Amino acid sequence: QKEVEQNSGPLSVPEGAIASLNCTYSDRGSQSFFWYRQYSGKSPELIMFIYSNGDKEDGRFTAQLNKASQYVSLLIRDSQPSDSATYLCAVNSGGFKTIFGAGTRLFVKA
Amino acid sequence: SAVISQKPSRDICQRGTSLTIQCQVDSQVTMMFWYRQQPGQSLTLIATANQGSEATYESGFVIDKFPISRPNLTFSTLTVSNMSPEDSSIYLCSALGTPAQETQYFGPGTRLLVL
Repeated sequence: QKEVEQNSGPLSVPEGAIASLNCTYSDRGSQSFFWYRQYSGKSPELIMFIYSNGDKEDGRFTAQLNKASQYVSLLIRDSQPSDSATYLCAVNSGGFKTIFGAGTRLFVKA
Repeated sequence: SAVISQKPSRDICQRGTSLTIQCQVDSQVTMMFWYRQQPGQSLTLIATANQGSEATYESGFVIDKFPISRPNLTFSTLTVSNMSPEDSSIYLCSALGTPAQETQYFGPGTRLLVL
C-alpha cells in the first residue's frame, strides 16, 4: 500500500515567519511530487511540483526533495494570513494515479 | 494547465434519488478522475474515468452506486445513485494536464447534501 504521510496540524506561525510543511512517502520508486493548497470550501490548487533532489523555488515558496530519505517539504517565506489553508502533499510513481496525503492545516496569525 | 468546470456547483437532494454531476475540461486530457471529500477530510478517489471503456473503481466504490461516463477526451459525468445522507459530500472532478502529464488539476467541486 503506497502511502503519503503528513502531520495534520494545525501548524500555527506568526505573520512574516517561515512556515515549514513536511511530507514522507512510502514508495521509493516515486518520481513526481506536488504541493496543493486548499482553502476552506474550495478545491485543491497546484502550487508547486518537483522531480529532482534538491530545492525548487517559486516566489515565496520553496519545495525540497530528498529521495534517499523519502521526504518532501514546502517552505513558505514571509507567511501571510492569506496563506492560511490546508496544504496537500501528492506523490506519483510514474503511473496515472497520484497518491494524496491527508493535508496539513496552516494558520498564519496576523 | 487544464481548466475544469463542474455542474451543478451544489445541490440538495432527497433520499433515494440520483444526481448526475458533469465535468468539462477546456482541453483534451488523457485521464479524468472523480474524488469525494468530506468536510475537513482528505481526498478519496472514487474512480478513474476511462475514455471508451468502463471506469476503474477504487476499493469500496461500485459501478451500480457511482456510474461514470466518459464519452470523449474533455467530458465526464458521475452519477450518485439511490442517495442516502451518507453520500453528502463534496465531489471533485480532476484531470491530468500540462506542464507534466502527472500533474492533476481539480474542478471547483459539487457540494451535495442529501436529506
